[in-house]
Amino acid sequence: AQKITQTQPGMFVQEKEAVTLDCTYDTSDPSYGLFWYKQPSSGEMIFLIYQGSYDQQNATEGRYSLNFQKARKSANLVISASQLGDSAMYFCAMREGQGGGFKTIFGAGTRLFVKA
Amino acid sequence: NAGVMQNPRHLVRRRGQEARLRCSPMKGHSHVYWYRQLPEEGLKFMVYLQKENIIDESGMPKERFSAEFPKEGPSILRIQQVVRGDSAAYFCASLLDYNTGELFFGEGSRLTVL
Repeated sequence: AQKITQTQPGMFVQEKEAVTLDCTYDTSDPSYGLFWYKQPSSGEMIFLIYQGSYDQQNATEGRYSLNFQKARKSANLVISASQLGDSAMYFCAMREGQGGGFKTIFGAGTRLFVKA
Repeated sequence: NAGVMQNPRHLVRRRGQEARLRCSPMKGHSHVYWYRQLPEEGLKFMVYLQKENIIDESGMPKERFSAEFPKEGPSILRIQQVVRGDSAAYFCASLLDYNTGELFFGEGSRLTVL
């Protein structure tokens, strides 16, 4: 069963505009963490933002914010004021607690294209 | 304060040879994960190890693949008798504490099987 779903294979956004990348997850573990990573064309994996399942507030890191809808099991990434350098693959990931063996699994990714 | 170190960065093998990929986690990290990434795809979980223990190898093929994380030295992902389908990027990531915190990734090892 797919535990992390990213339904947008590719997204386009105009420079300086905001964009939302979708992510839904599936778990029965009450304790889990949600992550977003960026993978530019150079290939490295860059951590962007983390949200714990018990966190009351949505996580924010600079231009990145995570729209955490626990009841809907969604953890969308919002990038504000897009820059050309934001063009990359973006992966949503989840780490479950003991019920899930503490492993971190990744979605299929969304490729973001920022247009000048 | 070195990050996660993977080597080799690029490895070319002929079908039937063995590939050994090494990963040194960040200092103080005792949790190591290996992932495989095919071109234009996401990261597929392979194995999760702690020092001297395999915690979860549910993502690893039953044959030809093995992983270890000895008490001393790097974690090793070993692929025996490689086939063309093994060509991929293999990422290692380490973690300080599985309760919180992000995975820290190495730059990946890109295996090409001729």
